[in-house]
Amino acid sequence: EVQLLESGGGLVQPGGSLRLSCAASGLTFSSYAMNWVRQAPGKGLEWVSAISGSGGSTYYADSVKGRFIISRDNSKNTVYLQMNSLRAEDTAVYYCAKGTLWFGESWGQGTLVTVSS
Amino acid sequence: QSVLTQPPSVSGAPGQRVTISCTGSSSNIGAGYDVHWYQQLPEAAPKLLIYGNNNRSSGVPDRFSGSKSGTSASLAITGLQAEDEADYYCQSYDSSLSGLWVFGGGTKLTVL
Repeated sequence: EVQLLESGGGLVQPGGSLRLSCAASGLTFSSYAMNWVRQAPGKGLEWVSAISGSGGSTYYADSVKGRFIISRDNSKNTVYLQMNSLRAEDTAVYYCAKGTLWFGESWGQGTLVTVSS
Repeated sequence: QSVLTQPPSVSGAPGQRVTISCTGSSSNIGAGYDVHWYQQLPEAAPKLLIYGNNNRSSGVPDRFSGSKSGTSASLAITGLQAEDEADYYCQSYDSSLSGLWVFGGGTKLTVL
């Protein structure tokens, strides 16, 4: 069974940084693209970023481009999201999703990021 | 507002059939890009229901079905059950935007 476990969320001040991790198990990790999707409190889903299975291709939403960096370590079955210059509007539950570059087959339970002074 | 348009809410009685629409444009659904559907139960993570317009994800009952025509797609749920009460999101790709996934705003299904 595929399991995805996000970690690294928490409270951070505006302008600060945070690194999220998503540890995967039960799959051949390098065979799958990984995505990050966020959901602000009481709002809908917003795609944030994606990385190919090899890590050679990365993609970002305009809202985070230049501030967030996605990466992966296939030896550790883990994908990361480095979030810099955080803003109040980045406050959300962040989900990692395994699948293709086009949709998410399996999702983690999410980690809450709160940006506030 | 969202690139894909969904009704904010739908409702139905147990056993009934409901449909949730997802309306796009010529740069996403109308351009031939696939539509995918997710179910999000209260206080839970999204779960893939339908991928590639009409393919059920593993373990999804055949009460759930998807279709696509022109610039729109639909999710149909037959034999409504109380446990179907959730938020439903459609998702596709838009060639006019720089990102990969675009979502509908979500539809809250209430089982009366």
